[in-house]
Amino acid sequence: KQEVTQIPAALSVPEGENLVLNCSFTDSAIYNLQWFRQDPGKGLTSLLLIQSSQREQTSGRLNASLDKSSGRSTLYIAASQPGDSATYLCAPWGGGGNKLTFGTGTQLKVEL
Amino acid sequence: NAGVMQNPRHLVRRRGQEARLRCSPMKGHSHVYWYRQLPEEGLKFMVYLQKENIIDESGMPKERFSAEFPKEGPSILRIQQVVRGDSAAYFCASSWDTEKLFFGSGTQLSVL
Repeated sequence: KQEVTQIPAALSVPEGENLVLNCSFTDSAIYNLQWFRQDPGKGLTSLLLIQSSQREQTSGRLNASLDKSSGRSTLYIAASQPGDSATYLCAPWGGGGNKLTFGTGTQLKVEL
Repeated sequence: NAGVMQNPRHLVRRRGQEARLRCSPMKGHSHVYWYRQLPEEGLKFMVYLQKENIIDESGMPKERFSAEFPKEGPSILRIQQVVRGDSAAYFCASSWDTEKLFFGSGTQLSVL
């Protein structure tokens, strides 16, 4: 059974800081890994998808890395902005069935 | 191409009533997933369906919950005789393969 842990659970930073959000998963037999953003009371927005054969993906100020063998992924957010405030969820695909398994997320608050 | 559509957005039921949650996948998507997010918890997989077939229902409670994805029309998650513990946000996601999931905005179920 796949288990996903995200650290830290919550993070509050001033605007402009570069951030690192961590994700670890127990079963490395995954096909890909997605990072999502969830705003309060709303659905999930997919940010990045990394295939199991890839080591990283970039989109704008976001960069996600994947170390499949060690069961870890990291999301880097450069030059954080208040609009980045949300909960960030890591979800590997596979390693326990044909589905995404979610971590409990990192709740990010970027202050002016 | 509209996104994944879920309705209703909010649903209030009294204990013992039935709740029906609807999900229309994105055009061309034949895979549908249902997830539940309990207060202060992460998203938990419930069921994975393809047209007219349940592929994986390992996350569904054994009683009172059922799901379908008919040949025509939306996918339906049905909860019979709701209890207060069923209060949660229910999210639907769809994909055309198993690579990337697109999520709806969710249905917030409140049981009085």
